[in-house]
Amino acid sequence: DVVMTQSPLSLPVTLGQPASISCRSSQSLVYSDGNTYLHWFQQRPGQSPRRLIYKVSNRDSGVPDRFSGSGSGTDFTLKISRVEAEDVGVYYCMQTTHWPPNFGQGTKVEIK
Amino acid sequence: QVQLQESGPGLVKPSETLSLTCTVSSGSISDFYWGWIRQPPGKGLELIGYIYYSGSTHYNPSLKSRVTISVDTSNNQFSLKLSSVTAADTAAYYCARGEVFLWFGIRLSSFDIWGQGTMVTVSS
Repeated sequence: DVVMTQSPLSLPVTLGQPASISCRSSQSLVYSDGNTYLHWFQQRPGQSPRRLIYKVSNRDSGVPDRFSGSGSGTDFTLKISRVEAEDVGVYYCMQTTHWPPNFGQGTKVEIK
Repeated sequence: QVQLQESGPGLVKPSETLSLTCTVSSGSISDFYWGWIRQPPGKGLELIGYIYYSGSTHYNPSLKSRVTISVDTSNNQFSLKLSSVTAADTAAYYCARGEVFLWFGIRLSSFDIWGQGTMVTVSS
């Protein structure tokens, strides 16, 4: 199975400051169709996961533009340009390129 | 906006079968994958498996021997059965819609819409 490794696992941030989460895969996530099936989810406390970004860098409808995704191959990043209080929660990357699809361990974002 | 709602018992006895249903509202069950993902308390997310509206299934190898996912297109529902449960199966169970793409077959792209989840405890 592909191993998805996120870092850091805990990220204390100051309101208004940027935040960055890394997701690395043990194999390239480029599929044979040329697309990269790496996605990001946000799980606020007590809520179900919500997709923020699909296929590396495509923001879902209604997701604030302070969230952005980037990367290629095996190395991916989710960035929050200016953290707001509502961004507190756990963020997961997920790959669907290889079988079975799986998630990273999650990164907990909290306010300092 | 499509909504998903899980339903089923919140308590299951060890060795019995966990059964959950996900009802899809405000949208068609056609042309998508429909999946189940679980999350043990305080832990991360694990894919259980998913089913295409036509009935083809994909199960995580780690659970394959115990999992059955089925779809009822007439009622816009799909279901999960997990047999021989133990305390390790205690988790929040989420259903989700899977977007597809065509590449020498129908492939899962990503899960875009999730239900609110239901907590299932395995205990006698």
